[in-house]
This record gives sequence, C-alpha cells and structure tokens, in this order.
Amino acid sequence: EPEVTQTPSHQVTQMGQEVILRCVPISNHLYFYWYRQILGQKVEFLVSFYNNEISEKSEIFDDQFSVERPDGSNFTLKIRSTKLEDSAMYFCASVRSGQGNEQFFGPGTRLTVL
Amino acid sequence: GENVEQHPSTLSVQEGDSAVIKCTYSDSASNYFPWYKQELGKGPQLIIDIRSNVGEKKDQRIAVTLNKTAKHFSLHITETQPEDSAVYFCAATPYGQNFVFGPGTRLSVLP
Repeated sequence: EPEVTQTPSHQVTQMGQEVILRCVPISNHLYFYWYRQILGQKVEFLVSFYNNEISEKSEIFDDQFSVERPDGSNFTLKIRSTKLEDSAMYFCASVRSGQGNEQFFGPGTRLTVL
Repeated sequence: GENVEQHPSTLSVQEGDSAVIKCTYSDSASNYFPWYKQELGKGPQLIIDIRSNVGEKKDQRIAVTLNKTAKHFSLHITETQPEDSAVYFCAATPYGQNFVFGPGTRLSVLP
C-alpha cells in the first residue's frame, strides 16, 4: 500500500540554524500539508499546498517557514532560523483529490532545537 | 474559525468493554469528520470518517455517530483489545478547508 514517507526521522539542530524537513507524498496525490505536534499536544495545521502554491496557512506559519515542491516527488518544509519553541513532531500529509477528504499522514520528523 | 473539543482526555477500559469518545465542533459549515489513531512514535492514521449527510457509520468494531443539530460526533469502539490502546484524535473540516483537530484522547485497554 502506498504511503507518505518523511526524512529524517529525527533532526537535532542549534537555535538559529536552518532546517529542511523532507516528505515524499503518495504519488498520485495532489494536495499536500504540513502539521506540527508539540509533545503531548494536539496536531496543528501549518500549511496546505496545491498546484505549486500555498493554498492556506495558519498563524504559526510565519516568515520563518517556507514550503517547496522542488520536483515531482518531494515536498519540503524549511525553517529559516529555528527557535526553541519550534521543537515538535512535524507531519506531512497528502490527499488524492479535493480537500476535506482522507489525509494520509507520514510517520513524522522529530525536530529538537537546542 | 472552527474549534473542536474532545472528551475525555484519558480513558481506561477493561479488555472486551466498549469505549466512547465524544467531540464537539463550532462551525456549522463543517461537513467532514475523520477520526485518527496515533500510536506511539507514529503518524496519525485514519480509522473511520463520516460526512454530514450521514448520521452513523460502522466498520467492524468501530462506529461513528454524528448529530449535526447539536454539533457533536462520537467514536464507539466495541470489544476493545489491547492493540486499541493509542491516542485518538477527532477532526472537523468544512469542505475545501483544512483539518482542525481535537486535543486527543489517550485510550488504555487493560488486559
């Protein structure tokens, strides 16, 4: 069964450094999402992406964040200058067609900012 | 915007008993309500979903009910097994918008 994959599984970085989290969505999916989950808290929406552009973003997704689909398979989340409070699990998700349908989540990347 | 509340935050049941988790939402435009199960160290996985034109949906031991008038929906798990132990998240979304998740319920099934 096709699945969403994410790399790395765990990323440790120093405050102020840039990080890039990578995702490979399911191949025939068209809508892509990033969520984050601070330890012990709920999953929070960051950004949705369709047709090579951001379709919606939350208040969390400020100027320090950016997303890109550099080729036909990868979907990346970049944090330009990490802060301690960026420490969280980051999940990528994809949807085959139309929003409001089942989102398939990847296993997540645990980001630790020291 | 949409706000989703979920109760209880933790739930312990004996193996074989039923478990019920309840969610409420605020935006009457929401019309898709998925339930996700998250096991330790893994991403959320969809276990069942319901759309607003349906009042109830069942898949083996799992069922979801929706009351649009009251803006609440519930997850029912019957004949619970130890492998049902996980964190369960409900979510709501108006069509074309993004998921708003509830805070989660940690379910423990005691053998």
